[in-house]
Amino acid sequence: NAGVMQNPRHLVRRRGQEARLRCSPMKGHSHVYWYRQLPEEGLKFMVYLQKENIIDESGMPKERFSAEFPKEGPSILRIQQVVRGDSAAYFCASSPPIYNEQFFGPGTRLTVL
Amino acid sequence: QKEVEQDPGPLSVPEGAIVSLNCTYSNSAFQYFMWYRQYSRKGPELLMYTYSSGNKEDGRFTAQVDKSSKYISLFIRDSQPSDSATYLCAMSWNSGGSNYKLTFGKGTLLTVNP
Repeated sequence: NAGVMQNPRHLVRRRGQEARLRCSPMKGHSHVYWYRQLPEEGLKFMVYLQKENIIDESGMPKERFSAEFPKEGPSILRIQQVVRGDSAAYFCASSPPIYNEQFFGPGTRLTVL
Repeated sequence: QKEVEQDPGPLSVPEGAIVSLNCTYSNSAFQYFMWYRQYSRKGPELLMYTYSSGNKEDGRFTAQVDKSSKYISLFIRDSQPSDSATYLCAMSWNSGGSNYKLTFGKGTLLTVNP
């Protein structure tokens, strides 16, 4: 059973470009969570999604950031008009319908030049 | 004051030592306490999960929670070089029937020297 998959593992963008980060949850998991780990900081919760629904986006920055988890395909975290401060590791986690624990992916490291 | 405080280390110990890792927190609503291990360039991996106060043991690992002091600990006995990693404490509370929103400490970098 493959774990949580994230791609790309590394992403370089110039200021003003868009970044798209993808997350495929573990088989049988229908809940997805996104976290951001800034340099020298702990992981911060961003958003919790179920298929076609955003359940809690209380950790998402108000502008430029959006997330989706469509009926088919991976969850996408989208950052528009990236700035240097968006440089971080972005981790996705998934859990089964009956929550017990979150299983984390390897992360996408975003570098904004 | 941050919700969760964790000494970032780094912490370096000889093989076989007992390691003590700690976190303090300010939010008394936290009920669920976790320790994750994160190897370099990898995602966090759940090590221990504890509900409310008390101790939990799993092999060489023991987790302790003292809610009255808002203090949690992870002890590693007979530490091995393969235990070298960053250890993250995390906690959550039951919100709307689920405890999914994890609040993490910054992590402690541990090196076990052979």
